[in-house]
Parts: sequence; C-alpha cells; structure tokens
Amino acid sequence: AQSVTQLDSQVPVFEEAPVELRCNYSSSVSVYLFWYVQYPNQGLQLLLKYLSGSTLVKGINGFEAEFNKSQTSFHLRKPSVHISDTAEYFCAVSEKAAGGTSYGKLTFGQGTILTVHP
Amino acid sequence: ETGVTQSPTHLIKTRGQQVTLRCSSQSGHNTVSWYQQALGQGPQFIFQYYREEENGRGNFPPRFSGLQFPNYSSELNVNALELDDSALYLCASSLAGPYTSGNTIYFGEGSWLTVV
Repeated sequence: AQSVTQLDSQVPVFEEAPVELRCNYSSSVSVYLFWYVQYPNQGLQLLLKYLSGSTLVKGINGFEAEFNKSQTSFHLRKPSVHISDTAEYFCAVSEKAAGGTSYGKLTFGQGTILTVHP
Repeated sequence: ETGVTQSPTHLIKTRGQQVTLRCSSQSGHNTVSWYQQALGQGPQFIFQYYREEENGRGNFPPRFSGLQFPNYSSELNVNALELDDSALYLCASSLAGPYTSGNTIYFGEGSWLTVV
C-alpha cells in the first residue's frame, strides 16, 4: 500500500516569487510519481510525472519537480509564479506493477492550495 | 481538453435514492477508474475496470458498483445514498497493459453529487 503526504495545506505567495510545494510518499514497492493541478470547479490536469531516469522532471506551465529516493520526496517548484497559477495541487503515486504492466491506480495526497497574490 | 466526458455535471439526490453517473473515455483507452473527491480532500480511488472486468477496488462498500462497456464508456452506480456520499466523482481513462508503465491518465471534469 502507498500513502502520500503533502506537507502544506495552503501556500500563499506573491506574484513573480518562487514557490515549492512539498510532497512525501511511503510505499513498499517502486512507484511512479505525479503532480496534478485542479482549477476551481474543474477536473485534474497532469503537470508532470516521474517514471525513471533523470530525477529532475520538467512539466507544463514552467513547473518542475525533483525525485529524491532517499528522502522519498517529490517536491514541486516554480521559479516565478503568476496569478493564473492559483489552484489546488495534488501529488500522487501509482505502483510499478511486475512485468512492466501499469494500470494507473493513483493514491493522492490531501492537496495544497496555492494562492498567488498581486 | 482531455477527451474524457462525464455526465451529469451536477445533480441533487435524496438520502436512500440511487444514482448513476456516466463517463465516456478517451478513444482507444481500455481502462477506466473512478475516484471520489470530498470537499477539501484529495481524490480517493473507488474502483477500476480493465477490458470490462473489475481490476481493483478501494475501500468503498458494495453499494458502489460499476460497469464498463465494449465501447469503453462506463457507469458508476451508487445505491442507498448517504449524506457522506456528497462529493465530486471523477472518471479517469488510460491505456493499460504490458509495457505501458506510466501511461498518462486523463481525467474528466467530474460530476458533482449532492445528497440531501
């Protein structure tokens, strides 16, 4: 079984400032890692994902995340935020099944509300 | 635009009633999952269908059931509705199978269910 902890429920930040949203996970098996964004009254949109290889992953809208296996973390960063980045962000994991098959059952964290102020 | 459409977008039901939510998956996707997202919470996995068979279930009671059809559309049925069933229900589709590890999962915009 897996679990995901997002360490901050709310993160306020001023426009053009950098931001980091923290995510830690726990799993007894290898996992894939994801960050999703949810704008008000909408579904989830994939920002980025880590499958293997380079631990620094770049996504859409200028976001990036770094996988740290020893600390079981996958923190999301953006060097300069915009008002339009105001949304709720979810970190998620899915199990790497044996034989290379993946069915994509996601375990989500509780979410972090990012509010960007002018 | 994810290619995953859900209906209805909003509905209100009375405690004890039954509800059916529908999802049309992205073309070619053979896997559909349903998630419940209560207000202020992250989505919780309800169950998944792969090629019309249930392929895993989260911690939800049997009154939550589903179907996946040959055209990869699907339904989520909830019987004997309770007040705590009020939530956003999200459908997600993907292409699964051998050597498809980490394929992108696409979410619909959800169905808001209010139980009164």
